[in-house]
Amino acid sequence: DQQVKQNSPSLSVQEGRISILNCDYTNSMFDYFLWYKKYPAEGPTFLISISSIKDKNEDGRFTVFLNKSAKHLSLHIVPSQPGDSAVYFCAAPATSGTYKYIFGTGTRLKVLA
Amino acid sequence: DVKVTQSSRYLVKRTGEKVFLECVQDMDHENMFWYRQDPGLGLRLIYFSYDVKMKEKGDIPEGYSVSREKKERFSLILESASTNQTSMYLCASSFGDEEEKLFFGSGTQLSVL
Repeated sequence: DQQVKQNSPSLSVQEGRISILNCDYTNSMFDYFLWYKKYPAEGPTFLISISSIKDKNEDGRFTVFLNKSAKHLSLHIVPSQPGDSAVYFCAAPATSGTYKYIFGTGTRLKVLA
Repeated sequence: DVKVTQSSRYLVKRTGEKVFLECVQDMDHENMFWYRQDPGLGLRLIYFSYDVKMKEKGDIPEGYSVSREKKERFSLILESASTNQTSMYLCASSFGDEEEKLFFGSGTQLSVL
């Protein structure tokens, strides 16, 4: 059973517009959530995180929203740039205090110039 | 900057061979991880280590073993490679106080023929 789900395998957005990447989860006990970005031929890099006690975290053009009642989080990129084209993974720790992270299957974002 | 180096970018091995994937990090991180990435399945944890000579199984340890004799080095061993172990292998490390931030290597694309 996949506890962290990214149901959209791909997304295309025009440069300058907003990109919204979605992630659903099943375990209400997750302490926090993370987003990673992965370019081809590179390892994933940490992008932004959000604690389960917050509903929003912002870092420059990137904002993550958490809706605990819906067990849903989303990553907003505004404005989108061609360099944002990558695969984005959401992740959560399997249990509290664990080193084990559960990753979603990823969403490939393409920002069109 | 943290650097996580994986010894090979591409590897081609034959079924039944013993395969060693090496990973070295240069930031004195306590925690090290091995993931595999497969299309449609995201990143899945194979093994992790939170200290020298310590290891714990991840979600898919079957057919793999690991070795951590020195803090900076974490090796993944495929005891007898099989075709279903063809995958992208990603090593990562993290620091004790910022465990959620995983630093990944560039990955090793392993093909088992």
